[in-house]
Amino acid sequence: EVQLLESGGTLEQPGGSLRLSCAASGFTFSHYAMSWVRQVPGKGLEWVSVISGSGGSTFYADSVKGRFTISRDNSDNTLYLQMNRLRAEDTAIYYCAKSPYFGGNPRLFDHWGQGTLVTVSS
Amino acid sequence: DIVMTQTPLSLSVAPGQPASISCKSSQSLLHSDGKTCLYWYLQKPGQSPQLLIFEVSNRFSGVSDRFTGSGSGTDFTLKISRLEAEDVGVYYCMQGLQLPYTFGQGTKLEIK
Repeated sequence: EVQLLESGGTLEQPGGSLRLSCAASGFTFSHYAMSWVRQVPGKGLEWVSVISGSGGSTFYADSVKGRFTISRDNSDNTLYLQMNRLRAEDTAIYYCAKSPYFGGNPRLFDHWGQGTLVTVSS
Repeated sequence: DIVMTQTPLSLSVAPGQPASISCKSSQSLLHSDGKTCLYWYLQKPGQSPQLLIFEVSNRFSGVSDRFTGSGSGTDFTLKISRLEAEDVGVYYCMQGLQLPYTFGQGTKLEIK
């Protein structure tokens, strides 16, 4: 059974940094691209970033480009999102999501974690 | 960016009755490989989204055959043949043709 468990969400001040983690199990982690998708509570879904199975390709939404960095540790089956220069508008639930394909443009998400809440406020 | 527009934004349907949600994209979602990159997700109350339909009309593993996706190009529809209580939640269409992936605004489905 695919399991994705996010952690690292907390209250952080504007301008601060956070690192989110997503522990994966139940599948061969290195074979699949992974993404982060966020959702302001009560609002819609926004794709944030994707990384290929090897980690060699990464892409970002314009809203986070230059501030967020996606990475993965295939030896530890863990996905990361380093979030710098946080803004109030980054406040959201952050989901990690698995794709059924390896490459950096994997088109869809077939499994999602339960999410971790990031709140950016002074 | 590709804009995804869903209608209606909310829907109240009696148990056992059908429901239909429309999704339109600002450009064709037909990939050069012949697949159409349109997906449907359901977010049940208090849960994360779950994949229902991929490539317009293919039900994901474990999804009831009461769910049917159709459409082509820029116009797509999700139909639920007989609404059950477990179907309530917010339905999202999403395009995976090009980055950034974009979602529709969501359609909130309630039981009447």
